Amino acid sequence: QVQLQESGRGLVKPSETLSLTCTVSGDSINSYYWSWVRQPAGKALEWIGRINTRGNSNSNPSLRSRVTMSVDTSNNQFSLRLSSVTAADTAVYYCAREHSDSSGYLYVESWGQGSLVIVSS
Amino acid sequence: DIQMTQSPSSLSASVGDRVTITCRASQGINNYLAWFQQKPGKAPKSLIYAASTLQSGVPSKFSGSGSGTDFTLTISSLQPEDFATYYCQQYFGYPVTFGGGTKVEIK
Repeated sequence: QVQLQESGRGLVKPSETLSLTCTVSGDSINSYYWSWVRQPAGKALEWIGRINTRGNSNSNPSLRSRVTMSVDTSNNQFSLRLSSVTAADTAVYYCAREHSDSSGYLYVESWGQGSLVIVSS
Repeated sequence: DIQMTQSPSSLSASVGDRVTITCRASQGINNYLAWFQQKPGKAPKSLIYAASTLQSGVPSKFSGSGSGTDFTLTISSLQPEDFATYYCQQYFGYPVTFGGGTKVEIK
């Protein structure tokens, strides 16, 4: 069974870049899409974006100019970078695996446990 | 963006009750709708995709229905472990969007 684990700095200063890595174990990182979702305290989930090992990616237009995603197949990891952060980016960040249905649409099937990132000076 | 509206935002129910949560999309999304369960301090858990297909290992007391713009999640007999917040998500359009959540509390 696949397991996902987020890692990265938990405290980031305003205007700096948030960096998170998700390590995948129990399955290959190939043949799937990998996504990021965040959740501010007490609020709903927000989709950040997704990427696959062929380099195809999509991100939320509300964040697109600040989001960079990458995949490291040799280490079975994928990463998120979010630049120019503000307090509004404080949230729990989840990584997730997406599976393609027969029509090619992608749904989340597995989640990491989440990583709290606080933006504060 | 496709807006997802859940109702109610919260509900109180007793163990053994049948509970129904509604999710409405601002435009048609075919059946590209997922449901998630989240307990306090924990990651979401995937319950249903394609509006009505249970994820592997999810008990059959959970069921989903709907197509187009209107969807429901039903828990046939509420158990103590089912008290949580439930979110719907559309994955038909970009960006993927979630509903605001429905918190199911103990009466």
